[in-house]
Amino acid sequence: EVQLVESGGGLVQPGGSLRLSCAASGFIFSSFAMTWVRQAPGKGLEWVSGIRDGGGSTYYADSVKGRFTISRDNSKNTLYLQMNSLRAEDTAVYYCAKDFRPCSGGVCYFSGMCYWGQGTLVTVSS
Amino acid sequence: QSVLTQPPSASGTPGQRVTISCSGSSSNIGTNSVNWYQQLPGTAPKLLIYSNNQRPSGVPDRFSGSKSGTSASLAISGLQSADEADYYCAAWDDSLNVVFGGGTKLTVL
Repeated sequence: EVQLVESGGGLVQPGGSLRLSCAASGFIFSSFAMTWVRQAPGKGLEWVSGIRDGGGSTYYADSVKGRFTISRDNSKNTLYLQMNSLRAEDTAVYYCAKDFRPCSGGVCYFSGMCYWGQGTLVTVSS
Repeated sequence: QSVLTQPPSASGTPGQRVTISCSGSSSNIGTNSVNWYQQLPGTAPKLLIYSNNQRPSGVPDRFSGSKSGTSASLAISGLQSADEADYYCAAWDDSLNVVFGGGTKLTVL
């Protein structure tokens, strides 16, 4: 059974940092691109960042570029999101997710997210 | 403001057919496939339609998707009260990110 379990959320002051983790199980983690998606309270979904299977390429939304860093440890089946210079508008539930298709032939997939974690709440407030 | 444009709300009565539109551009829907998500209150999103018109295992055939040019649509037939949820479209954008629609809140009257 595929499982994605996020952790690391909490209350942080503006300008502070936080690192989220996503522990994956039930599938060949190193074969899939992984993604972070967030949802501010009462708002819609916002794609935050994605990383290819081997971790060699990373992608970011303009709203977090230069402040957030996505990474992965395939030996630990874990995805990370390092969040620096946090702002009030970063307050959201953060989900990790995987596409239903593994990377293949050098192509990775990000938008068909068939498995999601339960989410972890990040609150940026003084 | 979301890159993909959806109506903020839609509604229908039980048994009715409703459609939700999603409008994009040549850099996303125009060249990449569209996926649809259903989000029930307080839960993580669920993949409803992938690759424009494919249903994952377990999704009833009451749900269908289509794409034409830079627009896509989700249709729900035989509307049920359990379908009351938020629906989002998403696609890969050639600027190297995933773009979502703003979401459509479906109300079953």
